[in-house]
Amino acid sequence: SQELEQSPQSLIVQEGKNLTINCTSSKTLYGLYWYKQKYGEGLIFLMMLQKGGEEKSHEKITAKLDEKKQQSSLHITASQPSHAGIYLCGAVRGGTSYGKLTFGQGTILTVHP
Amino acid sequence: DGGITQSPKYLFRKEGQNVTLSCEQNLNHDAMYWYRQDPGQGLRLIYYSQIVNDFQKGDIAEGYSVSREKKESFPLTVTSAQKNPTAFYLCASSASGTGVTQYFGPGTRLLVL
Repeated sequence: SQELEQSPQSLIVQEGKNLTINCTSSKTLYGLYWYKQKYGEGLIFLMMLQKGGEEKSHEKITAKLDEKKQQSSLHITASQPSHAGIYLCGAVRGGTSYGKLTFGQGTILTVHP
Repeated sequence: DGGITQSPKYLFRKEGQNVTLSCEQNLNHDAMYWYRQDPGQGLRLIYYSQIVNDFQKGDIAEGYSVSREKKESFPLTVTSAQKNPTAFYLCASSASGTGVTQYFGPGTRLLVL
């Protein structure tokens, strides 16, 4: 089974709606990254969370890290078509110092105007 | 402009042929990585390099080879031993140390003829 599970696997929302994507780890989280990808393109870094309870925001995207639950959530407020794409979470593997990451399978977000 | 470039954007491989994917970065990063992305799956680590003239196998290294002769360059060769090479290949780089962010190139799509 996947070390990192993202849910939902896909999401279709109407423009202006709020949404949440979850990333749950089967192992202890030492750090969690969120990336966005347009189909056929590279990954764009959104934000990194390192401490339990940490919350970061960038424009209308907020991410939180719950260390106890070994889970992170990504919340988009008032979604826009520009938010559409694939969202991937990546977890830092324990004990390594050069940021080796394990990725979830991705969540495909579609935003209808 | 600082960044990571990958070439070519599309690559076609014939049966029994070795092909090389290029990855160059001008971010002065010590570490570089190669990932493979298949539909519905997250990224899987093929090889990574923490410093020039040194590299380690990732989770799915069989059928692949790399070199790291220059800090800026980390080419990936897909050998004929890789029986299922059709995938999207992503190169990334990061500074050294803990809590660093990996930045990604635009990717190369490899197709088998």
